Amino acid sequence: GAVVSQHPSWVICKSGTSVKIECRSLDFQATTMFWYRQFPKQSLMLMATSNEGSKATYEQGVEKDKFLINHASLTLSTLTVTSAHPEDSSFYICSARDPGLGTDTQYFGPGTRLTVL
Amino acid sequence: DAKTTQPTSMDCAEGRAANLPCNHSTISGNEYVYWYRQIHSQGPQYIIHGLKNNETNEMASLIITEDRKSSTLILPHATLRDTAVYYCIVRVSYDKVIFGPGTSLSVIP
Repeated sequence: GAVVSQHPSWVICKSGTSVKIECRSLDFQATTMFWYRQFPKQSLMLMATSNEGSKATYEQGVEKDKFLINHASLTLSTLTVTSAHPEDSSFYICSARDPGLGTDTQYFGPGTRLTVL
Repeated sequence: DAKTTQPTSMDCAEGRAANLPCNHSTISGNEYVYWYRQIHSQGPQYIIHGLKNNETNEMASLIITEDRKSSTLILPHATLRDTAVYYCIVRVSYDKVIFGPGTSLSVIP
């Protein structure tokens, strides 16, 4: 299947700082990428849809000014957690839609573990 | 998207076939059935998808009932590495993937 990478795989930061997470589609071009968040023992929760060259679409309850998404190219989307607080500590996962297979399968990155102290 | 119902958890003996059921009684004609799994602390892994016909790949088989109201994911020879949470998702093409709670499969030696 198609490959999606994330960087970093884990990050620890101090409260009040900003953290940027990168999501890359390695072997296909993705006009649409998605960002999810997962808390321990819970399922993945969709945060936003990232569209190349346009503004992201955020799910209800997700603060767009806190979670900044940029999709500047067909292979890269970034999520910046601004002014991070301990409650933002979570597992962040991106996915990219591969339109080349006809049925628009989404492939997921390995995730980024964010810990805010 | 149609809602899916899966058992919360299942056990399977190593080497045996694991059969994971999914109910999607309100599925629409243009919605596909997708299966993903998530091994602990990793991103979800795509397994297989189908529309009407049964599908098989190197990982698993997908059996969809004729009325499309339910499906079964079959792992033919489960190994310990297949222990994971398995998600059955129904969606139209180009729609976002929304995860339910899934089925926690434990493969037992």
